Amino acid sequence: EVQLVQSGAEVRKPGESLKISCKVSGYSFTKYWIGWVRQLPGKGLEWMGIFYPGDPDTRYSPSFQGQVTISADKSISTAFLQWSSLRASDTAMYYCARHGADHDAFDIWGQGTMVTVSS
Amino acid sequence: EIVMTQSPATLSVSPGERATLSCRASQSISSNLAWYQQKPGQAPRLLIYGASTRATGIPARFSGSGSGTEFTLTISSLQSEDFAVYYCQQYHNWPPRYTFGQGTKLEIK
Repeated sequence: EVQLVQSGAEVRKPGESLKISCKVSGYSFTKYWIGWVRQLPGKGLEWMGIFYPGDPDTRYSPSFQGQVTISADKSISTAFLQWSSLRASDTAMYYCARHGADHDAFDIWGQGTMVTVSS
Repeated sequence: EIVMTQSPATLSVSPGERATLSCRASQSISSNLAWYQQKPGQAPRLLIYGASTRATGIPARFSGSGSGTEFTLTISSLQSEDFAVYYCQQYHNWPPRYTFGQGTKLEIK
């Protein structure tokens, strides 16, 4: 069974760093693009960027370029989303999701990681 | 950036009736469109990709149509579990600047 399992909820203060994870199983990690999607409280979905572990190659939305870093560790089949200096406006649910085999829609999703940034 | 506009923002429909949700792209995206369903407290679920292909395990009452800039998701006979928020997403351009619509909330009438 294909699964994406994300790390647990996080609470941080403004200015702190954070790295959340998305561990995949049930498929070859290096053969599919994997992406991150933000959902602000009570709001819609925002495409942040995608990463291809096989090359590797990373593509960001202009809205998130320079604000976050997407990476992965192939040895543990895990993708990461990290911030070097969090802001209160980063408070949101973050989902990882995998592209399909023959299309770029997200066909498998993680359960989400809630990030709360508050002083 | 391609802007995706969904309408209506909220749709009230009775169980057993048909629901029609619309999504418009600010420029042509061919058939590079997906639809997702999101229920409260859950991750989104892929329903349709390629504008009209149902994802694995999606019931036949869900259908997608359209190409270019105008797209439709139709739910033929609403079941109680279908009341949720629906998002469209384009994945047309490369380098990728994939974008979602703002969502349509489908509620019980």
